[in-house]
Amino acid sequence: EAQVTQNPRYLITVTGKKLTVTCSQNMNHEYMSWYRQDPGLGLRQIYYSMNVEVTDKGDVPEGYKVSRKEKRNFPLILESPSPNQTSLYFCASSPQGQALTDTQYFGPGTRLTVL
Amino acid sequence: AQSVSQHNHHVILSEAASLELGCNYSYGGTVNLFWYVQYPGQHLQLLLKYFSGDPLVKGIKGFEAEFIKSKFSFNLRKPSVQWSDTAEYFCAVNAENYGQNFVFGPGTRLSVLP
Repeated sequence: EAQVTQNPRYLITVTGKKLTVTCSQNMNHEYMSWYRQDPGLGLRQIYYSMNVEVTDKGDVPEGYKVSRKEKRNFPLILESPSPNQTSLYFCASSPQGQALTDTQYFGPGTRLTVL
Repeated sequence: AQSVSQHNHHVILSEAASLELGCNYSYGGTVNLFWYVQYPGQHLQLLLKYFSGDPLVKGIKGFEAEFIKSKFSFNLRKPSVQWSDTAEYFCAVNAENYGQNFVFGPGTRLSVLP
C-alpha cells in the first residue's frame, strides 16, 4: 500500500532530551516535508526536501534539523526539545521535487509533548 | 511573506445546507492553490487544487472552489453537505517565486448535524 509512515505516533519527553521522529514513504517521491500543526495556526512548514541531500527551511525551522540521505526517509531531529515544540507533527511527500502543483500525501501525524 | 487566512474557525450546518468556506491569501504573483481535508482520525488528503486554466475547479465528493484573482480568494463550496463532510478544512498556497514551500491557513472546522 502506498503510504507515508511516521514513528512514533505519540511521544512524551522532557526538555533537552534529543529525539528523532522518523518519516518514510514507499512511493519513490522526490519531495518530502515536515509540518507542525497548532490550534488556530494551521499547518506550518518546518523543513522540506526536493531530493536526496537537498533540504531547505520552511517558515518555522528554529530548533529542528532534518536530513535526506535516502529518497524514502526524511527524519526530523530535535536536538534539545523545549515545551514550545509540543505539537502535532506531519510528514508529507509528493512525486516531483520541482513541481509546485503536486498533491502532497500526508502521514498519520506524531503527537509530541515536551515537559 | 505569504499568508493565508480562513474566515471561519468553526462552521455548524445541518445536512443538505449549502457550504462556502472562505480562503484569502496575501501574495500577488502566480500562485498554486489547494484545499485539504482532515476527517476525524484520518490523514490529511487533497480535496482539489488550482494552478492554471478554468478558475472554477471541481474536486472529490462534490466540492468545488473558485479562484478569483482580483480578490486573492479561493473559496470552497458544496451545494448540499452531508454528515460525512464533518472534518477540518485547510486552504494552502504555494507562490511560485517563493520556492517550494507551502503556506497553510489556520483551518476551518465543519460540523454537520444529522
